[in-house]
Parts: sequence; C-alpha cells; structure tokens
Amino acid sequence: DAGVTQSPTHLIKTRGQQVTLRCSPKSGHDTVSWYQQALGQGPQFIFQYYEEEERQRGNFPDRFSGHQFPNYSSELNVNALLLGDSALYLCASSLRGLASKETQYFGPGTRLLVL
Amino acid sequence: ILNVEQSPQSLHVQEGDSTNFTCSFPSSNFYALHWYRWETAKSPEALFVMTLNGDEKKKGRISATLNTKEGYSYLYIKGSQPEDSATYLCAFPWGKLQFGAGTQVVVTP
Repeated sequence: DAGVTQSPTHLIKTRGQQVTLRCSPKSGHDTVSWYQQALGQGPQFIFQYYEEEERQRGNFPDRFSGHQFPNYSSELNVNALLLGDSALYLCASSLRGLASKETQYFGPGTRLLVL
Repeated sequence: ILNVEQSPQSLHVQEGDSTNFTCSFPSSNFYALHWYRWETAKSPEALFVMTLNGDEKKKGRISATLNTKEGYSYLYIKGSQPEDSATYLCAFPWGKLQFGAGTQVVVTP
C-alpha cells in the first residue's frame, strides 16, 4: 500500500521564478492538504483540496495556487518566488474533506530553496 | 488567530528516563486533538487522535492524556529510547489543522 508521495524531493529556484510541486495521496484517500514548514515552526496550512475544489485556505497570498486531479493527486504552484518561500512543503492526504477527526497522512516533503 | 502552544521547545532525556511535555489549545469549540511524531528525514507519523475529555491513549511506551475543559494534552514517553528522538507535534482542527511548533526530544544513550 503506497503512502503519500511527493516530487521532487529538493528544488532550487531563483527569485521571481515559478515552481510546481506534486503530491500523490495514500491509496483510497480523496483529500489533499498542503503545508509550509519553516525552520523552528510547525507546519502552516496552505490549502486543502477535496473533490477537485479548494475547500479551505490558510493565510497565504494568491501567488500560492493549487489543483486536484480526478485521480486525487494534487499540485501546488507558487508564482513570483520570494526568498521567504524557502521552506519544506508537506502534502498530507486524508478521507472525507474537512472532517476534524480524520487522521492526515504526510508525505516526506519537498525542500524548496529560493536564491 | 488560534494559538496552539507546545512546551518545552526541546528536551534532552537520558536513555531509560521517562519524560512528558504539553500541548495547550483553546478549550472552547473542541473537536479533536492530533499528536504526530516527526523523525528527522522522515514524514510526520500520526500517533493519536484524541476526542473526549479524559481520553487516555497508548502506543507502546508512548501515551497521551486530554483535558478539554482546561485546554491541554500531555504526551508521556516511558523509559525513553534513542529511537524516540523526534519532534512531537500536536494539531488542533479549526477548519484547518493548526499545528503547534513542536517539542524536540533528544534521547541520549
């Protein structure tokens, strides 16, 4: 049973560029959430996708956008990269959208460095 | 803004010793509290989902208690082993999952 997978594992970009990160959820899961984790902080919620729609969004600018495909996989896009976007980006999958008691299963993350 | 606080920020524990640390969350509108363990270079791993006041959950040498009235949860590690070294995160669902900053536990032989 494949867990949550993310690609790429590491990425280096320069300011102003655009980046796309990818996530495949755990088998059987239909909901994908994205988090940004900066050093010394807990993961910060970016947004969540369920039934191919963005259902909830955290306090992130519109430069952060996403998509969910019919097979439940998801992409996170960040435009006009800033140095402050350097972080670990985590994807988590779960069942049934925003249910609070559902466990989220995390991928290993994509480490983004913006120079 | 919802505050989920974890203390202490880090702990150094001798192998064989027991330890505990805290997660504080708003006591109103409680739905659930999640605990995760995050080892270096691995994915965060779900430990517990706690839902009822007075809940106590156990997984091996790790256990957790919940007090929803006062807004805190304790996580205990009994007889710490080097493989328990990790960052332990709690998360409070408030529409989205709101994480604390974590408690980093280092167990030394």
